[in-house]
Amino acid sequence: GAVVSQHPSRVICKSGTSVKIECRSLDFQATTMFWYRQFPKKSLMLMATSNEGSKATYEQGVEKDKFLINHASLTLSTLTVTSAHPEDSSFYICSAFPADGSRMEQYFGPGTRLTVT
Amino acid sequence: GENVEQHPSTLSVQEGDSAVIKCTYSDSASNYFPWYKQELGKRPQLIIDIRSNVGEKKDQRIAVTLNKTAKHFSLHITETQPEDSAVYFCAASVSYGKLTFGQGTILTVHP
Repeated sequence: GAVVSQHPSRVICKSGTSVKIECRSLDFQATTMFWYRQFPKKSLMLMATSNEGSKATYEQGVEKDKFLINHASLTLSTLTVTSAHPEDSSFYICSAFPADGSRMEQYFGPGTRLTVT
Repeated sequence: GENVEQHPSTLSVQEGDSAVIKCTYSDSASNYFPWYKQELGKRPQLIIDIRSNVGEKKDQRIAVTLNKTAKHFSLHITETQPEDSAVYFCAASVSYGKLTFGQGTILTVHP
């Protein structure tokens, strides 16, 4: 099956610093990737849709200047949390669609646990 | 936008019993309804999905039913086992679009 990786799996950073999270589709090309955020014991909330070669589409209430998304290639999307604060601590998960449109199923990455101290 | 409601929030069953989780959605354009199982700290794992042109789908102990008119779909797990214990999420999307998730159901299967 299709594989999506995320790096890093865990990161601890100090308040005010920026953190970059990578999402890679390892064995398929993805024109669209999604970034989700999940708080403890809560559901996944879509943050933004990442489109290869164009600007990301952010969900209502998500600050685009705080959560920078870049989708520079068909296999890589990055999420940068800028000027992180403790309230940004969360589990961030990406997902990807195969570019050939063969399936409706999204393939999820393993997630990145961000802790801001 | 789409809104997905999921019930119950917690479900406790004895091993061997059946478990049913229900979801409703609001957007009649939604045509893809996956169910995910998520263990603590792990990625969501697709366990079954259904498209709007189908009313029911079964895969061994797991089945999903869809009522497009009422805009609700349900997950049925038969002969539950302790390893079925996890958080289950329903979701809805339009074609290849973004997923809207339900709130999740914590399923506990007691041996």
